[in-house]
Amino acid sequence: DTAVSQTPKYLVTQMGNDKSIKCEQNLGHDTMYWYKQDSKKFLKIMFSYNNKELIINETVPNRFSPKSPDKAHLNLHINSLELGDSAVYFCASSPDRGVQSPLHFGNGTRLTVT
Amino acid sequence: QKEVEQDPGPLSVPEGAIVSLNCTYSNSAFQYFMWYRQYSRKGPELLMYTYSSGNKEDGRFTAQVDKSSKYISLFIRDSQPSDSATYLCAVLSGGYQKVTFGTGTKLQVIP
Repeated sequence: DTAVSQTPKYLVTQMGNDKSIKCEQNLGHDTMYWYKQDSKKFLKIMFSYNNKELIINETVPNRFSPKSPDKAHLNLHINSLELGDSAVYFCASSPDRGVQSPLHFGNGTRLTVT
Repeated sequence: QKEVEQDPGPLSVPEGAIVSLNCTYSNSAFQYFMWYRQYSRKGPELLMYTYSSGNKEDGRFTAQVDKSSKYISLFIRDSQPSDSATYLCAVLSGGYQKVTFGTGTKLQVIP
C-alpha cells in the first residue's frame, strides 16, 4: 500500500543512453513533482504537474521530458544521458497545488551514469 | 548565495540530548517554513510546517521561526537513536508549490 512508488529503485546506464523513470501515487492527489537530489543532498525541484497540466518547469535541460498520462502517474524520460545526470530522482505528490499542501515523497530512483 | 543555507553537519549527540538544527534564508518573500526528515535511502517526510514567526510544538519537536532575522530552527528534546536522519529545512513563498530546500543537516544520536 505504498503511497508514492517509483520504478526502478536503481538504474545504472552508460552515457548517451535514453532511460525512463516511472512514478505512481495512490493518494488521490492532484499535483505531482519531480525533484533531483545531488551527491551533496541538495534537493531541487525540476517539474510539477497539476491534473496532467505542467505548472512548474525549472531550468532543466530539454533532454528531460516529463509526461503525465493521468493525475496518478508522472513519468520522467531522459535522453542522451550525461555523467552529471547521476543523482537520486524523487517523485512527490501533494493534495493540490496550494501552499499548505504537504509533499509526499517516494523513496527515490538512484541513477548512475557511467 | 543559496536561498536557504544549512550547516551540513554531521552532528553527533548522545541519546537524551536536546538538539538544535538551524537554517537561514535570504528572501523575505518566503512565508511558509517546513522541516523534513530524511532517513537513509528513503524520501523526505514532512515533520513540521509553520507559517508565522514564533514557536510551534509537536511532541518532542519544536519549530521556531524568526522572520526579522530570516532564521529558522528545529529543536528536538530527549533525542532518540531513531531520530538519526538528515533534517532538511524548506521554505515557500506564495503561489504554486515551489518548495526550496536547504542542503540538510545529518544528525546521529548515539545510544
